[in-house]
Amino acid sequence: SQTIHQWPATLVQPVGSPLSLECTVEGTSNPNLYWYRQAAGRGLQLLFYSVGIGQISSEVPQNLSASRPQDRQFILSSKKLLLSDSGFYLCAWSVGLSVWVSPLHFGNGTRLTVT
Amino acid sequence: DAKTTQPNSMESNEEEPVHLPCNHSTISGTDYIHWYRQLPSQGPEYVIHGLTSNVNNRMASLAIAEDRKSSTLILHRATLRDAAVYYCILAQGGSEKLVFGKGTKLTVNP
Repeated sequence: SQTIHQWPATLVQPVGSPLSLECTVEGTSNPNLYWYRQAAGRGLQLLFYSVGIGQISSEVPQNLSASRPQDRQFILSSKKLLLSDSGFYLCAWSVGLSVWVSPLHFGNGTRLTVT
Repeated sequence: DAKTTQPNSMESNEEEPVHLPCNHSTISGTDYIHWYRQLPSQGPEYVIHGLTSNVNNRMASLAIAEDRKSSTLILHRATLRDAAVYYCILAQGGSEKLVFGKGTKLTVNP
């Protein structure tokens, strides 16, 4: 069966520090991978998605970047965190044509607090 | 982004059916209707999706109006574990972006 691992579960970082969140998927090949963010009291916002190794699409221009160095690995990074980067970061995967017709499967998320 | 409208909150009693409504009057002919739910401090969980016909799975049923401008997620017997925020989403062809609104917060009373 397919599983998704996302770590760490919680993270407290000072403003201006770097960030690296990692997500890996097991039990499937060539998944589509996604990073979402949920700010306090708001809906989920798609940040990046990837349909293959090295292929990254950005939905919201901001202080973050994403990379996909391996088929089932997706990394979210920042060189210098801002207070507004605080939130609940969720990695997700899907297989098939797209989320248009295929379910999206989420990890348990990383709660990031920037102080 | 395709828009959906849901009540902010609903309450139900345990072991009773729950009907969660969603309006999507601007739906296009190729938009799929998806439902997800999110328990506190967890990532969203896929529930069900459909295009035109009603759909059933082990978690729920999805009833889609004939004109597709509204749909209803049906939980046949609510349990305490069904207490969550339920999101109704229109998935558009050619887009990898699912737009999660505020959803409906379902409270299940014992």
